[in-house]
Amino acid sequence: DVKVTQSSRYLVKRTGEKVFLECVQDMDHENMFWYRQDPGLGLRLIYFSYDVKMKEKGDIPEGYSVSREKKERFSLILESASTNQTSMYLCASSPPDRLYSNQPQHFGDGTRLSIL
Amino acid sequence: SQELEQSPQSLIVQEGKNLTINCTSSKTLYGLYWYKQKYGEGLIFLMMLQKGGEEKSHEKITAKLDEKKQQSSLHITASQPSHAGIYLCGADGLGNFNKFYFGSGTKLNVKP
Repeated sequence: DVKVTQSSRYLVKRTGEKVFLECVQDMDHENMFWYRQDPGLGLRLIYFSYDVKMKEKGDIPEGYSVSREKKERFSLILESASTNQTSMYLCASSPPDRLYSNQPQHFGDGTRLSIL
Repeated sequence: SQELEQSPQSLIVQEGKNLTINCTSSKTLYGLYWYKQKYGEGLIFLMMLQKGGEEKSHEKITAKLDEKKQQSSLHITASQPSHAGIYLCGADGLGNFNKFYFGSGTKLNVKP
């Protein structure tokens, strides 16, 4: 079974701190994704990566950066945390050819981040 | 961008009743995925549909994709409290399989 592991289920940080959210997958997937989920707004894509050191902005990249130094690990960085970044963060991974390989995105358990 | 509309937004049913959740796209769907999310947790993959007219079932949940590939439905037969959660449909980005789009979700409560 595919395993996507997010480093923390719950995290509390202070405004202005630099925050790192880590995600590791064990299926050798090329694609990895970071989403945030907010009530009434649904899931929104922050960044995705289609290979080591490669990244593309999603729909809401402002205030975030990412790092992908190794294929299995994709980190989300909040450069200077603000209260409006309090949210549920979800990481996912998939092969690049989801339709041809008949494989969906697989998700981690999520990190509920609170910025005080 | 590809938009997915889900309906209803929320649903409360009595245990044992059947229910249907719909997901509609303004554009042709090339890969349609259904996920379930328990409150405060990650997304669990349920089913994936690719071909027009395709139908898949798992236990008491059946998903269908219409012939035009613009609408999908998720049907639960004889609902149970364990079916409660948020159901989300998702789709691959048209012409860009690195992108993925989600519907807004349907909250399901099943009353014992």
